[in-house]
Amino acid sequence: QVQLQESGPGLVKPSETLSLACTVSGGSVSSYYWSWIRQPPGKGLEWVVSIFYTGKTEFSPSLKSRVTISEDTSKNQFSLRLRSVTAADTAVYYCARLARVGSYYYFDYWGQGILVTVSS
Amino acid sequence: SSELTQDPAVSVALGQTVRITCQGDSLRSYHASWYQQKPGQAPVLVIYGTNNRPSGIPDRFSGSNSGNTASLTITGAQAEDEADYYCKSRDSSGNHLVFGGGTKLTVL
Repeated sequence: QVQLQESGPGLVKPSETLSLACTVSGGSVSSYYWSWIRQPPGKGLEWVVSIFYTGKTEFSPSLKSRVTISEDTSKNQFSLRLRSVTAADTAVYYCARLARVGSYYYFDYWGQGILVTVSS
Repeated sequence: SSELTQDPAVSVALGQTVRITCQGDSLRSYHASWYQQKPGQAPVLVIYGTNNRPSGIPDRFSGSNSGNTASLTITGAQAEDEADYYCKSRDSSGNHLVFGGGTKLTVL
């Protein structure tokens, strides 16, 4: 059974960098595709970024200039960095596995989510 | 605004059938997947590849696609189906993933 667990600070100051890690158990980050998705309080889901085992990355156009995603195979983790945060970046951040079967892409495993608040 | 459009809220009587729709031009080219989210919980995949159910998802959940509209149908809605439902696919460029705005389902 694949399990994902987000970790990182729950409070970030405006203009600073949000850094989160997702630890994967029951599977290897060297396989499959991995993503970050966020959800502002009371609002809908927003896809942020994905990384593929080939090294290819895809970014939400609205966040591309501020986002970095990386993998650490030694820790079986992948990480998100979001620079120059504002209050609008306050959200629950989920990591998820993006499975692919033929032309189907879908998020089959999700972390429990971590609330990150941007405030001074 | 999302490139995938969902009705904000839908209601259904207990035991009846409800259809939740997701509209977008990209759905003519790309498959949709559907996610159920209950308050305070992470989303759960209920349909992928337009009409495939992961193991553990009741068979009252089904999906379909026609033109630019993907649909999630719950046949015989149960109280535990009350949740927010999100569709996901790709945007019109095909280069980015995108979620619909979500539909809040109330079971009366």
